[in-house]
Amino acid sequence: DTAVSQTPKYLVTQMGNDKSIKCEQNLGHDTMYWYKQDSKKFLKIMFSYNNKELIINETVPNRFSPKSPDKAHLNLHINSLELGDSAVYFCASSQEGLVNEQFFGPGTRLTVL
Amino acid sequence: SQQGEEDPQALSIQEGENATMNCSYKTSINNLQWYRQNSGRGLVHLILIRSNEREKHSGRLRVTLDTSKKSSSLLITASRAADTASYFCATENEGTALIFGKGTTLSVSS
Repeated sequence: DTAVSQTPKYLVTQMGNDKSIKCEQNLGHDTMYWYKQDSKKFLKIMFSYNNKELIINETVPNRFSPKSPDKAHLNLHINSLELGDSAVYFCASSQEGLVNEQFFGPGTRLTVL
Repeated sequence: SQQGEEDPQALSIQEGENATMNCSYKTSINNLQWYRQNSGRGLVHLILIRSNEREKHSGRLRVTLDTSKKSSSLLITASRAADTASYFCATENEGTALIFGKGTTLSVSS
């Protein structure tokens, strides 16, 4: 009965590899997000999708590509991983956009070696 | 760019004491939200206060908002060890992304 789930929870990989993180929400929300939290706990929005359409795309390298096959899923694909990509990535969802509370997944800790 | 800035960065108190965290922001907002993050977990929404509200309560939480000073405070009364976590304020303006502050790390010892 998990509301927002992410897989994997931990991801350790070498520089230059391509990896994906999956996110699913069973709350029936129409908006989903990806955030990056750095080692100092600073949380920054990366992308936002509303009903499978991209609505927010912050200044993120184009090595990061979100994909939303349906409104319950928002996956994050990262090409050519770099050391600086090491962080915790959180998926979140909300209903009717940003005015309401956001529900966060447990996070994916990505370590690039 | 970062919008909210929490103060203090870290706070250590004893169980039963009150904890107050402050958040300052830079631009006009529609609402301000507070979230809690336990170590190694995702963020959990605590409370949302709209720009036309001045104070809001939820259980042991009390949030105030002063739009003239562009600041908000979160008060946790009668704190418990389980309140140990990081607390973030987040602001939303005209449908753009939620912008989070750096957070206050609260440690409650028994």
